[in-house]
Amino acid sequence: DTGVSQNPRHKITKRGQNVTFRCDPISEHNRLYWYRQTLGQGPEFLTYFQNEAQLEKSRLLSDRFSAERPKGSFSTLEIQRTEQGDSAMYLCASSLSSGSTEAFFGQGTRLTVV
Amino acid sequence: DAKTTQPNSMESNEEEPVHLPCNHSTISGTDYIHWYRQLPSQGPEYVIHGLTSNVNNRMASLAIAEDRKSSTLILHRATLRDAAVYYCILLSNTGNQFYFGTGTSLTVIP
Repeated sequence: DTGVSQNPRHKITKRGQNVTFRCDPISEHNRLYWYRQTLGQGPEFLTYFQNEAQLEKSRLLSDRFSAERPKGSFSTLEIQRTEQGDSAMYLCASSLSSGSTEAFFGQGTRLTVV
Repeated sequence: DAKTTQPNSMESNEEEPVHLPCNHSTISGTDYIHWYRQLPSQGPEYVIHGLTSNVNNRMASLAIAEDRKSSTLILHRATLRDAAVYYCILLSNTGNQFYFGTGTSLTVIP
């Protein structure tokens, strides 16, 4: 297993377009997280899955954002009608179901909305 | 999850030990103390975690205060590759997210 994989690594899109990012977690990890990070700030929580169930969503996740994890494996994060303020690094992480284990982060997808 | 407080930045000379402090005065009994670091343009990387006892691994040591209201990440010999933002995070077994805060930006001086 090569760790958490995110695709694409970079995405440039025009304002108003829809974009979709994919995250492939470590295979036996049942927790999956999405975070957003802007320059100079720490990662901000967006949403969290336990297997296929989306158990928590941040207020940052407006109705233009949707995340899925259909079979409890990979996850997608879609942003509809992108705005310039959506420009950020989107990070995915996975872990086992316990605070006593570490989370593994992907390299992120950097979104630029022009 | 409980919040943490860290200094915004620290400096260290290369090959000297570095002690990165973290205050977590509202920690609960089930919260684990996690440390992650993030190099520029990369995702956060796990460093170490612990519950009550001090912990050592190949990357660092974690010293936890007896009352658990603070902890210190110890890098025994700082290298230039250790320059990163270090985050102290609390997570319980029932916790659903890692709350990152702003972290400590470590500069290593050659």
